[in-house]
Amino acid sequence: DTAVSQTPKYLVTQMGNDKSIKCEQNLGHDTMYWYKQDSKKFLKIMFSYNNKELIINETVPNRFSPKSPDKAHLNLHINSLELGDSAVYFCASSPPFGLTKNIQYFGAGTRLSVL
Amino acid sequence: EDQVTQSPEALRLQEGESSSLNCSYTVSGLRGLFWYRQDPGKGPEFLFTLYSAGEEKEKERLKATLTKKESFLHITAPKPEDSATYLCAVQAAGPSGSRLTFGEGTQLTVNP
Repeated sequence: DTAVSQTPKYLVTQMGNDKSIKCEQNLGHDTMYWYKQDSKKFLKIMFSYNNKELIINETVPNRFSPKSPDKAHLNLHINSLELGDSAVYFCASSPPFGLTKNIQYFGAGTRLSVL
Repeated sequence: EDQVTQSPEALRLQEGESSSLNCSYTVSGLRGLFWYRQDPGKGPEFLFTLYSAGEEKEKERLKATLTKKESFLHITAPKPEDSATYLCAVQAAGPSGSRLTFGEGTQLTVNP
């Protein structure tokens, strides 16, 4: 039973294409996140949704658009992919603050390679 | 701006050789400090949360401690299966919400 699952695990595409990464959690959490991990293993938050509402939106190009159809899903759509978008993207989720103190649980990651 | 610095970047130990990893942080009101373990090709796996200076948490060969400026992850008599990248992150109180600010990690290798 995978708690936070991302698809696909690997994504290889050409510059200029549009692609989506899907994330689903079965933990009953109400907050979900997208993080980007660059080649130096540095993890940086991109977005956060709470009950389908955007609550964190870091300085990310407009080409990145998150979508949360319900609180168990948070998808990431990327338009006009660029070489610099190559990275590993992680989805995470957390329960409401106060329950297990807002611990974030991560998916296995999606390795995006833009050629 | 919240900042997290981890040292060393890489650490190589012999099995059974105890050591410590350091996480220095600056944050405008600490809500929590988190330690994660990340294996190659996988997502970060939660280890500990610490909330106030003086707090300690233990799990098997790992012990995390917290002061007002830094946290240490002590590894006692490590085994090869402890090899991984250890990530430290802080969560600030206030309007930044639940954002985690991560350090760049310490890559630990334990040789048999």
